[in-house]
Amino acid sequence: DTEVTQTPKHLVMGMTNKKSLKCEQHMGHRAMYWYKQKAKKPPELMFVYSYEKLSINESVPSRFSPECPNSSLLNLHLHALQPEDSALYLCASSQDRTSGAGGADTQYFGPGTRLTVL
Amino acid sequence: QKEVEQNSGPLSVPEGAIASLNCTYSDRGSQSFFWYRQYSGKSPELIMFIYSNGDKEDGRFTAQLNKASQYVSLLIRDSQPSDSATYLCAVYNNNDMRFGAGTRLTVKP
Repeated sequence: DTEVTQTPKHLVMGMTNKKSLKCEQHMGHRAMYWYKQKAKKPPELMFVYSYEKLSINESVPSRFSPECPNSSLLNLHLHALQPEDSALYLCASSQDRTSGAGGADTQYFGPGTRLTVL
Repeated sequence: QKEVEQNSGPLSVPEGAIASLNCTYSDRGSQSFFWYRQYSGKSPELIMFIYSNGDKEDGRFTAQLNKASQYVSLLIRDSQPSDSATYLCAVYNNNDMRFGAGTRLTVKP
């Protein structure tokens, strides 16, 4: 089973709203990732959690706040977003973050949340 | 700057032909290489990963890696219209995954 789930599938929010995106995996993976993807562009890494600790924050604005409550869950809290933040937000997980043979660093993506900021 | 380069296409092939997708990368220390398929409006779906020089086959798909030339490719045999999608090359090195811009493939019936 290589399933990563994300909720909601679609989200429309105003610039003053607070909302959260959720991601869950039950593959025993210890690394989880948030990506942002604009149309016709590749995914851009936002955050990486490794063993439930934030290990990478790619200079993401503070209006995006990640949270990893446990090894299976990853949240992305949204507050005071801008229209240019509208995008597909992708969650991914991997067994761990060690490179090399064996596929441990293979990332599996969830279906994404399509976010529209009005 | 660690770069992953792909021809953006579009690449158009007839049904039943071989589609060849290419990717070059600049970080010589890269260790893991991935191909993802992404349909419009959907999330990336893993097709294959490869770590060692040479070929790796999985059904109609063959990944080829040449670390000396910093080149990785994906061959799709007996292309089907359902293979029409954007193919993303991804390169991983010590906690850093980089994606190419993707090649859009169209398989015409």
